[in-house]
Amino acid sequence: GAGVSQSPSNKVTEKGKDVELRCDPISGHTALYWYRQSLGQGLEFLIYFQGNSAPDKSGLPSDRFSAERTGGSVSTLTIQRTQQEDSAVYLCASSRRGTRNGNTLHFGNGTRLTVT
Amino acid sequence: GQSLEQPSEVTAVEGAIVQINCTYQTSGFYGLSWYQQHDGGAPTFLSYNALDGLEETGRFSSFLSRSDSYGYLLLQELQMKDSASYFCAVRDGLTGGGNKLTFGTGTQLKVEL
Repeated sequence: GAGVSQSPSNKVTEKGKDVELRCDPISGHTALYWYRQSLGQGLEFLIYFQGNSAPDKSGLPSDRFSAERTGGSVSTLTIQRTQQEDSAVYLCASSRRGTRNGNTLHFGNGTRLTVT
Repeated sequence: GQSLEQPSEVTAVEGAIVQINCTYQTSGFYGLSWYQQHDGGAPTFLSYNALDGLEETGRFSSFLSRSDSYGYLLLQELQMKDSASYFCAVRDGLTGGGNKLTFGTGTQLKVEL
């Protein structure tokens, strides 16, 4: 079946511009996560959704970052007034309900964001 | 908060066995998972332990000791295609409904001929 789909796969933007990153999770997956990965680094948690609600936004680096999820499906991560330090790969993942399922994240291929 | 420690790099030869360790500190614990990521690729799920002991999935096994806050991933009969980064991750269950996974910094495994 279809996996997690992210778009665009690559985005180059000028410093100060706003960007929107999209994630289409696996159908039936109730949980959706956003992570950020800088070159050669680990995965930095940003936010997760259960349905359309975001119980944990603790990882959002600043108020320039926001995310929403509609219809329990597609999610958009928005970065306003981008800075060079925002350059990274933004990964989206989804999972089913349940203890074991909640530990089994299915990742998309990511959006590589470059801020010039 | 949560923190996880893994070795940054491990090198082994094809056909050998390698163990990647992970120690964690977390305010709550709802499972230790392992993910594999090839260069330029997405992380993929390998294994999960909720209880103490060994879980085996083909050439890969994962072990957990909750009393020691420690786990490891064991890779047997190493193949060149196993060269990748390996991440451990914990679910602490106390933050925002318990579905947040915190990842370690990753171990880069290099398999040589």
